[in-house]
Amino acid sequence: NAGVTQTPKFRVLKTGQSMTLLCAQDMNHEYMYWYRQDPGMGLRLIHYSVGEGTTAKGEVPDGYNVSRLKKQNFLLGLESAAPSQTSVYFCASSYSIRMTGKAFFGQGTRLTVV
Amino acid sequence: KNQVEQSPQSLIILEGKNCTLQCNYTVSPFSNLRWYKQDTGRGPVSLTIMTFSENTKSNGRYTATLDADTKQSSLHITASQLSDSASYICVVMSSGTYKYIFGTGTRLKVLA
Repeated sequence: NAGVTQTPKFRVLKTGQSMTLLCAQDMNHEYMYWYRQDPGMGLRLIHYSVGEGTTAKGEVPDGYNVSRLKKQNFLLGLESAAPSQTSVYFCASSYSIRMTGKAFFGQGTRLTVV
Repeated sequence: KNQVEQSPQSLIILEGKNCTLQCNYTVSPFSNLRWYKQDTGRGPVSLTIMTFSENTKSNGRYTATLDADTKQSSLHITASQLSDSASYICVVMSSGTYKYIFGTGTRLKVLA
């Protein structure tokens, strides 16, 4: 049982390049989230999904796109990377949005944009 | 504005000692409050979850308290171990938005 798996774990991009971060969960969770974590700040929600085929904006969605074509996968795309997107990205999943249950986090993707 | 503030920002204690971390929030309406442990280079892992009606919840050597009237929570760690060295993050969910509001965390270092 792998839980939540993120790939890649590390990546360096040049400004203007594009990439996709993959999040996969094997717990049959409906809800999936993408967060970014920056020094001195709490995790901030980029986008989330309440089920297969759905996506919604979080608090910092600009410059990112997402897709949830399969229930177990949630993809985060950067179309034209900027240095301000240098961060650690975390994917999470949960059984319900009310989340009196646990949210499970992946191990993170450290992205550097130069 | 919904906010979660944690104190102290960082803390160093000797192995075997106890410590208490604080979390104050202004999130309304309140749904639940969680404490997460985040080891360096890893994702957060849930320690406790408390709803409005719960005052105390324990998970081994970790005990969380919640005072919904004063909007304060604390995480008490008993008999600290080297493996407790991590960041501890307080997270509050607003029932209006069902979104998490994360604190910036307390970085704890336990020394031998």
